[in-house]
Amino acid sequence: SQLAEENPWALSVHEGESVTVNCSYKTSITALQWYRQKSGEGPAQLILIRSNEREKRNGRLRATLDTSSQSSSLSITATRCEDTAVYFCATGSNYQLIWGSGTKLIIKP
Amino acid sequence: DPKIIQKPKYLVAVTGSEKILICEQYLGHNAMYWYRQSAKKPLEFMFSYSYQKLMDNQTASSRFQPQSSKKNHLDLQITALKPDDSATYFCASSQGGANTGQLYFGEGSKLTVL
Repeated sequence: SQLAEENPWALSVHEGESVTVNCSYKTSITALQWYRQKSGEGPAQLILIRSNEREKRNGRLRATLDTSSQSSSLSITATRCEDTAVYFCATGSNYQLIWGSGTKLIIKP
Repeated sequence: DPKIIQKPKYLVAVTGSEKILICEQYLGHNAMYWYRQSAKKPLEFMFSYSYQKLMDNQTASSRFQPQSSKKNHLDLQITALKPDDSATYFCASSQGGANTGQLYFGEGSKLTVL
């Protein structure tokens, strides 16, 4: 079974709306990372949130972390068409990062 | 300019043949990784190297052999190719640990095995 898992599997909103992707993980963590992968590209990191942090922001992105429920969320405000991508959460050890299956987000014009 | 170069971008191979995927990073990172992504599975960790030494290996098959000739190179040799090996292979690098740093990915090498 996977170390981390995103939900929902897919999501679609209109441009300008806000959206939230959730992640659940199965072990104690040092940090959790959110990545975005656009079609035809490799994943790119959005936010890294450490286990002693509850919230982290990066522009229109906001990540939260709840270590008691072993969950994290990534919210995007004022979505744009270019936010269309697959969003992954990832965590692991020093030399191995394990990924969920991803949430496919589509932003409609 | 891309900082992680993967070659080739696309390749087609026949079952039973051998291919080498090339990866070079120009970020000055000490750690490099290979991941595989197919339609059937999530992004799968394969290997991690630090200072040209193998640190972790989650690939069960010995048909997959990483090769690091220089600190900024990590190639992947795949022998006795099977159709199930069809996937996009991503190379990544980081400075320091993967779980507390940032992985930078190349654009991938898409392998199709017929």
